[in-house]
Amino acid sequence: AQKITQTQPGMFVQEKEAVTLDCTYDTSDQSYGLFWYKQPSSGEMIFLIYQGSYDEQNATEGRYSLNFQKARKSANLVISASQLGDSAMYFCAMRDALIIIQGAQKLVFGQGTRLTINP
Amino acid sequence: DTAVSQTPKYLVTQMGNDKSIKCEQNLGHDTMYWYKQDSKKFLKIMFSYNNKELIINETVPNRFSPKSPDKAHLNLHINSLELGDSAVYFCASSQDELPNVGELFFGEGSRLTVL
Repeated sequence: AQKITQTQPGMFVQEKEAVTLDCTYDTSDQSYGLFWYKQPSSGEMIFLIYQGSYDEQNATEGRYSLNFQKARKSANLVISASQLGDSAMYFCAMRDALIIIQGAQKLVFGQGTRLTINP
Repeated sequence: DTAVSQTPKYLVTQMGNDKSIKCEQNLGHDTMYWYKQDSKKFLKIMFSYNNKELIINETVPNRFSPKSPDKAHLNLHINSLELGDSAVYFCASSQDELPNVGELFFGEGSRLTVL
């Protein structure tokens, strides 16, 4: 079974510093996808970034980048120049590739990391 | 225009009651989902429908019954509510037709409190 582990329940960072949120995963599949979502205190889930298992380059989206180390089975999220608005829960998730063939995808989520940006 | 909308946003009810949460997406996606987020923030998939067909049905009590009248709507009906059903229920949609497999777009969540 697939499993996602986020070992940092909470992190505190000074504004404008870079921050790395850890995510490790366990799967026997060769094809899979990794996602990061942000959940601010208002509750909605916001997609941040995606990395496919066969993508050779690390994904980047603005201030977000994904440090993908396939051999180590890690997919850490890096936020550069953090802002107060980055304070939120962050979830790493993995997609089971096989389900896609049937027309749906199953995301397995980690426990989340609560990030607090201090002014 | 909200892409994935759920109603109600808040629901407080007594144990034993039956309640429904409705979800609509205007993204033209073929696939819709229900996820449950518990009090520890853990998110777990419950159901997924593709074009009105049930694709994913996780180990969920049969008191939970999803219904998809068309591919833009996915409702969740819960019978005989229990205290442990208190959670935030998220509806989501995605376009999952190969090769275009996209991210999930989530609704704002429906917070259910069972007293």
